[in-house]
Amino acid sequence: GDSVTQMEGPVTLSEEAFLTINCTYTATGYPSLFWYVQYPGEGLQLLLKATKADDKGSNKGFEATYRKETTSFHLEKGSVQVSDSAVYFCALTSPRTGNQFYFGTGTSLTVIP
Amino acid sequence: GAGVSQSPSNKVTEKGKDVELRCDPISGHTALYWYRQRLGQGLEFLIYFQGNSAPDKSGLPSDRFSAERTGESVSTLTIQRTQQEDSAVYLCASSLGPTSGRSPYNEQFFGPGTRLTVL
Repeated sequence: GDSVTQMEGPVTLSEEAFLTINCTYTATGYPSLFWYVQYPGEGLQLLLKATKADDKGSNKGFEATYRKETTSFHLEKGSVQVSDSAVYFCALTSPRTGNQFYFGTGTSLTVIP
Repeated sequence: GAGVSQSPSNKVTEKGKDVELRCDPISGHTALYWYRQRLGQGLEFLIYFQGNSAPDKSGLPSDRFSAERTGESVSTLTIQRTQQEDSAVYLCASSLGPTSGRSPYNEQFFGPGTRLTVL
């Protein structure tokens, strides 16, 4: 079945460091891919998405490119801030899954000043 | 406008008791999802409602779990004879669903969750 495998954390970085959180997926057909973020004490919220191959989703300095050849959707940010400390979830959905969403296990990021 | 709301925010119960968790989706959202998030783990899909179609119950872990939704409004997740392993945060999300016409894969909006503790 469809699934998402996400880089395990926790990840600790210094402010202004480069961030990569790996995400790979298994799916039949052409899923849409998402990154959700959960800030401390808050609910999950959409960070960015890409709905077809080679699309790049971007928001708040974060980027992820839908790579069908490597079935990946890695999250990157060039210079992290303390306020980026959160848990990040990769997810996919497609009509073949009945529009059910599949989430990764989440990666906790802590950015220290 | 109002987002997805859930109640209660916290629930502590004794093993063997029944609990009901409520979700109020965003008005107009035809799709509603329930997830379970155990401490330090990812989201586990439980059930999905889409309009008036039969719900996708494939994620419910046992027959102690059930959920109802009236039309495109409030949903209730019921856990009967709670066990300690049911302790988790239960998240609800809603979306416009696949038939909105604007996008085939609409964003899910999550509620703040209900933290359930079974003693």
